[in-house]
Amino acid sequence: DAGITQSPRHKVTETGTPVTLRCHQTENHRYMYWYRQDPGHGLRLIHYSYGVKDTDKGEVSDGYSVSRSKTEDFLLTLESATSSQTSVYFCATQSGSANEKLFFGSGTQLSVL
Amino acid sequence: QKEVEQNSGPLSVPEGAIASLNCTYSDRGSQSFFWYRQYSGKSPELIMFIYSNGDKEDGRFTAQLNKASQYVSLLIRDSQPSDSATYLCAVPFSGGYNKLIFGAGTRLAVHP
Repeated sequence: DAGITQSPRHKVTETGTPVTLRCHQTENHRYMYWYRQDPGHGLRLIHYSYGVKDTDKGEVSDGYSVSRSKTEDFLLTLESATSSQTSVYFCATQSGSANEKLFFGSGTQLSVL
Repeated sequence: QKEVEQNSGPLSVPEGAIASLNCTYSDRGSQSFFWYRQYSGKSPELIMFIYSNGDKEDGRFTAQLNKASQYVSLLIRDSQPSDSATYLCAVPFSGGYNKLIFGAGTRLAVHP
């Protein structure tokens, strides 16, 4: 399967602290996505990227920012973490067409206390 | 209204029966549609993709698309306990570059 690595896999942090999650891919895929998954909500799109330095907001972007300075890395930052951002975060990539499947990372479990 | 709607379930079916999962979407410009399966604690995996009206079959799975009515469904024939999972409908919206939106997912439980 595609080489997608999310780090860290688990993180516990305190309210008000900044947090950065990293997604690294080795497949040279153009599109990269950050989703969060909470019970009853499925996968909700936070931000996505359609190229280096090209990003756009998703459904639930408030409180999150992203950056993509290289094709292989897509960073998600919580500027000041809140308890409502406790969730499982998935990174996904897609090669170059809307008809291609997503490749998912293993997820990051984030707990904000 | 969410852009992609699914019944959350759980949908409970006996082993060997047909499971029917439904999804509606709001963007008339959407052209392609995906079904992902997610086992508890795991990442989603693609099981079906459809972009033409009508049916598409792959083994025990059939995806059905009706763009006029804006719904897409997934049928699982001869359901097995190993099919017990959450099924997520995903739709790329026409307003952005591959902006892929998922529904909340339907939890399927197949009992022996």
